[in-house]
Amino acid sequence: QVHLVQSGAEVQKPGASVKVSCKASGYMFTSYDIIWVRQATGQGLEWMGRMNPHSGDTAYAQKFQGRVTMTRNTSISTAYMELSSLRSEDTAVYYCARCYTIYGVVCYYGIDVWGHGTTVTVSS
Amino acid sequence: EIVLTQSPGILSLSPGERATLSCRASQSVSSNYLAWYEQKPGQAPRLLIYAASDRAAGIPDRFSGSGFGTHFTLTISRLEPEDFAVYFCQQYGTSPPTFGQGTKVEI
Repeated sequence: QVHLVQSGAEVQKPGASVKVSCKASGYMFTSYDIIWVRQATGQGLEWMGRMNPHSGDTAYAQKFQGRVTMTRNTSISTAYMELSSLRSEDTAVYYCARCYTIYGVVCYYGIDVWGHGTTVTVSS
Repeated sequence: EIVLTQSPGILSLSPGERATLSCRASQSVSSNYLAWYEQKPGQAPRLLIYAASDRAAGIPDRFSGSGFGTHFTLTISRLEPEDFAVYFCQQYGTSPPTFGQGTKVEI
């Protein structure tokens, strides 16, 4: 079975950084993009960016440029998302997910597998 | 970026009724690359429909998607108790991918 297992909840102070991990199993890690989406309490879904685990290439949403870094360790099929200069507005559940990019279309078949989410709380 | 507006915000229905959810885009969605997701409290979203009308694996046929250009619809033909949730649309034809704000289907 395909799974994405994320690291546990985090509490960070404003100005700090947080790094969330996402371990994939049940499929070839390098064959699917890993994307990151966040959701503030009671709010909608917000696209943060994506990474190609094979090449390491990334594409970040403009809103997060300069603050987000997506990396991976292919030897352990794990992706990471680091967000820096945290502020209270970054308090949210952060999801990793996989999708298949083909013909230049990101998530051609939709976002078919999601992690369970990691709650990040930014508070002084 | 493409803005997706979902309506209504809340849909109050009973089990067995038909649900019709709307998703309108601020500009045409390239090649109808539009998906629908269901989300229940405390859970991650679940993919229902991709490419506007293709059901994802394991999704019951009471869920159907339609539309093109700037107007898309998710229809649930007969609501089951487990279908009461929040539904999001997403376009992925133009970067960055964007999501609608959601429609809550409640009893």
